Amino acid sequence: DQQVKQNSPSLSVQEGRISILNCDYTNSMFDYFLWYKKYPAEGPTFLISISSIKDKNEDGRFTVFLNKSAKHLSLHIVPSQPGDSAVYFCAASAENTNAGKSTFGDGTTLTVKP
Amino acid sequence: EADIYQTPRYLVIGTGKKITLECSQTMGHDKMYWYQQDPGMELHLIHYSYGVNSTEKGDLSSESTVSRIRTEHFPLTLESARPSHTSQYLCASSEQGGGETQYFGPGTRLLVL
Repeated sequence: DQQVKQNSPSLSVQEGRISILNCDYTNSMFDYFLWYKKYPAEGPTFLISISSIKDKNEDGRFTVFLNKSAKHLSLHIVPSQPGDSAVYFCAASAENTNAGKSTFGDGTTLTVKP
Repeated sequence: EADIYQTPRYLVIGTGKKITLECSQTMGHDKMYWYQQDPGMELHLIHYSYGVNSTEKGDLSSESTVSRIRTEHFPLTLESARPSHTSQYLCASSEQGGGETQYFGPGTRLLVL
């Protein structure tokens, strides 16, 4: 049973517009959520995170929203740039259980068109 | 900037060969991880370590083994490679304590013929 799901395998957006990437989770013990970005032939790099005590975290063009009741989080990128084209992974961890290990989603491939 | 290295970056090898994938980090992180990822799929945790002489199997069963003799080094070994081992292997590390931001290496793409 996959505990972290990214139901959209791909997303295409025009440059300058908003990109919204979604992630759903099933384990109510998850209390820390992260987004990673991965370019081809490279490892994932950390992008932004949010603790379950918050519902929003913003860092420049990137904002993550958390809806605990719906077990849903989303990553907003605005304005989108061609350099944002990459695979985005959502990850979740439960710091006090499961030894704090992260569980990853399948990833969403974002393409930003010039 | 993260300093975590993996070698080789690409490896093509025949069935039955023994291989070791190297992973080193210079950040002094106690936690290290190995993930296996196939295209379009999630990252599957296959091994992790919380410090020297500590190794645990991850969520996905793997025929590989790991060792952690030094903090900075976390090699993964396959005693007898098979085509089913063909995948990308990603190494990561993180600081001990709360917050699970992981720093990933560039990965090793393994092809077993």
